[in-house]
Amino acid sequence: QKEVEQDPGPLSVPEGAIVSLNCTYSNSAFQYFMWYRQYSRKGPELLMYTYSSGNKEDGRFTAQVDKSSKYISLFIRDSQPSDSATYLCAMSGGLIQGAQKLVFGQGTRLTINP
Amino acid sequence: DTEVTQTPKHLVMGMTNKKSLKCEQHMGHRAMYWYKQKAKKPPELMFVYSYEKLSINESVPSRFSPECPNSSLLNLHLHALQPEDSALYLCASSHWDRENSPLHFGNGTRLTVT
Repeated sequence: QKEVEQDPGPLSVPEGAIVSLNCTYSNSAFQYFMWYRQYSRKGPELLMYTYSSGNKEDGRFTAQVDKSSKYISLFIRDSQPSDSATYLCAMSGGLIQGAQKLVFGQGTRLTINP
Repeated sequence: DTEVTQTPKHLVMGMTNKKSLKCEQHMGHRAMYWYKQKAKKPPELMFVYSYEKLSINESVPSRFSPECPNSSLLNLHLHALQPEDSALYLCASSHWDRENSPLHFGNGTRLTVT
C-alpha cells in the first residue's frame, strides 16, 4: 500500500462546475499538506499549504484536511478551462536535517471543458 | 514565471557526453532539492542540500553528481547517462529548519538521452 493514494483520473468536468480532488494517506506522522498544480511541460506550482485539520480558502480554491480520517481534499469553485492541469497532493511529516521530505500522490489529471 | 530558475529548458545529450543542469533562487532559501519526474508520474526526490551541504542522497547512481557552489545556486552534473534517465529534472527550494515552509519548484529541464 502506498503512503499516499490519489486517483490519477483523468477527470473531465464542464466549465463552472465545482471540482473535488482527494488524497488519502496512511502515515499518521504527516502534519503538513500541500496541493500543487502542474501544467504540461512546467514545474509544480504551489496552490495551497495547510497544517491543521479544517478548511483553508484562497480565492476559488479551498483545501480541507481531516486528520482523523487521514483524508485531504481540494475544491475548485467556478472551474475554468485554465484550471486544466495535473493536481498533485504532497505531504510531510516534518523536517529531516532541516529540509522537507515530501511524499507525493500520483497526481490527478483534470480537464475543464468550455 | 517562477522564483526558481532552471537552465537549460531542454537538453539532448548522448550517452558519452558530460553536461550540467543549473538552478538559481533568490528567495533566501537554504534548502535546495533535485527531483526527477517521468511522464505521468509524481516527482521523485534525488538530492537535498541544507546550507550548501549534501544532506540527503536517495541512492542516486553516481552518474548524477550534485553541487551547491553557494546559497543561491545548485548544479547537477551529468555523465555517461542512459536513455532511461530521460526525464524532467526539477529543482526546488525552501527555508531551512522551518516546518511551515513549503517547496517552491522551477519549471525544470527536459532531458533526452540518446
